[in-house]
Amino acid sequence: GENVEQHPSTLSVQEGDSAVIKCTYSDSASNYFPWYKQELGKRPQLIIDIRSNVGEKKDQRIAVTLNKTAKHFSLHITETQPEDSAVYFCAASGGNDMRFGAGTRLTVKP
Amino acid sequence: DVKVTQSSRYLVKRTGEKVFLECVQDMDHENMFWYRQDPGLGLRLIYFSYDVKMKEKGDIPEGYSVSREKKERFSLILESASTNQTSMYLCASSFGQLRGEAFFGQGTRLTVV
Repeated sequence: GENVEQHPSTLSVQEGDSAVIKCTYSDSASNYFPWYKQELGKRPQLIIDIRSNVGEKKDQRIAVTLNKTAKHFSLHITETQPEDSAVYFCAASGGNDMRFGAGTRLTVKP
Repeated sequence: DVKVTQSSRYLVKRTGEKVFLECVQDMDHENMFWYRQDPGLGLRLIYFSYDVKMKEKGDIPEGYSVSREKKERFSLILESASTNQTSMYLCASSFGQLRGEAFFGQGTRLTVV
């Protein structure tokens, strides 16, 4: 099955700085790549996703890039704010399954 | 609003007990998933289902089984609970791969003593 690796496991930035989280996947048939944010004590929620026919997608301060050849995709958060502090998960799906990375704990220091 | 509801928020069970975790979704989603969440290990896929009575093993199916008798309900069964199954269990559902976003339940914190 699909294997998703995510780095770094923890990330600490100053408010206003940018944050980048990277993921790789193993199955070239994967064609859907969502990112989820999980705040403490809450369920994961989708923040942005990208499909394999697109190289980049942006939504306000967050963007995702996909390199199909290298089988990696990244989440970029600009102008970070304290409320961005959470655990972020990447995932990959090629059919009916969906597999997640191990998560990145992002801390934004005021 | 999509709703994925898990039957219990917290459960405490004894070693060797048979445990049922229930998940219901109200969006007519084809796909349903059970994940286990442990610190540092992320969300690990236990089982998923893409249709009624259909199931597929995920990455850590040992010690678990599932049942999907109705489209809206997906049950996770621990045949004989063990202490290493103490964890947070998350259910999710989604449409098929063409509309891939998965919606999660609130989670069940299971403690096996």
